Amino acid sequence: DAGVIQSPRHEVTEMGQEVTLRCKPISGHNSLFWYRQTMMRGLELLIYFNNNVPIDDSGMPEDRFSAKMPNASFSTLKIQPSEPRDSAVYFCASSSRASGGRADTQYFGPGTRLTVL
Amino acid sequence: AQSVTQLDSHVSVSEGTPVLLRCNYSSSYSPSLFWYVQHPNKGLQLLLKYTSAATLVKGINGFEAEFKKSETSFHLTKPSAHMSDAAEYFCVVSFQGGKLIFGQGTELSVKP
Repeated sequence: DAGVIQSPRHEVTEMGQEVTLRCKPISGHNSLFWYRQTMMRGLELLIYFNNNVPIDDSGMPEDRFSAKMPNASFSTLKIQPSEPRDSAVYFCASSSRASGGRADTQYFGPGTRLTVL
Repeated sequence: AQSVTQLDSHVSVSEGTPVLLRCNYSSSYSPSLFWYVQHPNKGLQLLLKYTSAATLVKGINGFEAEFKKSETSFHLTKPSAHMSDAAEYFCVVSFQGGKLIFGQGTELSVKP
C-alpha cells in the first residue's frame, strides 16, 4: 500500500501567487482531512470530506482557502492569493469510517512544506 | 465539549530509562483516543489507539497506554527509551463525525 500521497513535498512561492496542494488518499478510504501545522498553532483541522462531500470547513482560515474532492482518489487545497502567514506544513489524512461510527484511524501523508515569501 | 491536554511540552530521558508522556482528555461521551508520533520533517504515524476494548493498549515500538476513565487520562509509556524514540508525540481525542482534536504535542529527547 502506497499510503497517502501528497504533492508537492516542498513549495516556495511569492506572496500573491496561487498555490495548489494535492492529495491522493489510501484506496478504499472514504474520509479525507486537510490539516495545517505551525509552530504557533500546532495542528489544525482545516476541512474534511466524507464520501467526497465537504462536511466541515469551519477550520478554513478565510476565503482565500478552498478545497475540492472531485472523486474518491483525489483532493486539492488551493490558496489564492497566498500570503506569508500561510507558510506552514499542510498534511492530508484519510480514514475508513462507517456512517455514524466511531472515529477510525487517520493515516497521514508526508506533508507539503509551503513557504510564501 | 471535547479537549485534550498534554501536560508536558518537553520530556527528556536517558537511553534505557522509562518514558512517561502524560495526557488528559475531556469528553462528553466515551471517546476514542490515539497517540501519534512525528519524527523531524516527517508525517504523523499512529502509535496506538483506544476504542473501548481493553483499557491497556499496546502499540508499536514497545509503547503502550492505559485508559483511566476515573482520571480522564491516557498516558503513554515505554519501559526503556531508545535513541530512535526522540520525536514529537501527540495525544488525540476523537470528535463527532470523525474529527480529531490534537494535543499541543510533547517533544521527547533521549540522551545517550
